[in-house]
Amino acid sequence: DAGVIQSPRHEVTEMGQEVTLRCKPISGHDYLFWYRQTMMRGLELLIYFNNNVPIDDSGMPEDRFSAKMPNASFSTLKIQPSEPRDSAVYFCASSRGTSLNEKLFFGSGTQLSVL
Amino acid sequence: RKEVEQDPGPFNVPEGATVAFNCTYSNSASQSFFWYRQDCRKEPKLLMSVYSSGNEDGRFTAQLNRASQYISLLIRDSKLSDSATYLCVRGTGGFKTIFGAGTRLFVKA
Repeated sequence: DAGVIQSPRHEVTEMGQEVTLRCKPISGHDYLFWYRQTMMRGLELLIYFNNNVPIDDSGMPEDRFSAKMPNASFSTLKIQPSEPRDSAVYFCASSRGTSLNEKLFFGSGTQLSVL
Repeated sequence: RKEVEQDPGPFNVPEGATVAFNCTYSNSASQSFFWYRQDCRKEPKLLMSVYSSGNEDGRFTAQLNRASQYISLLIRDSKLSDSATYLCVRGTGGFKTIFGAGTRLFVKA
């Protein structure tokens, strides 16, 4: 079982540039989540999808952030334009979602540094 | 008030010690609770779910107190490998989960 796969592992970019983070969930998982983790704010849920449809994007910080899930095996989180305060670790997670006690499986994360 | 609050620690304990963490939550309608473990520079991983009746998994015991709105995690006979950050998590329904900021534990030889 490959687990949740995220790319890239590390991204260093300059302020103003577009950043695209990618995620492949575990096959068969109906739910996909994007989280951001910083020392100051901890793990924050940005957005989650069910069967490729965005369900709750209330955690997306501002219009510079967008997320898509064109099919069951791929999702992207895009930041355009990026700012230094976007620097964080971005995690993607997936779950089968068959019950409220369903565990989340996290990817290894993308460490984003915006200079 | 934050939705999920934890003492950030760090907790520094010797091997073999028993250590307990508490976590308080603000929404009495919360339905599900979990403890996740996160090692340095790694992703969070589920440690255990927390049930109203309490549950135990080896050296780990989790308890839920709905009246006082807190959950707890007890680790007995601490091992060096238990050193990590422990994240308290509550489910809000609709599969939205809220993570606490985490409690850091260092187990010393």
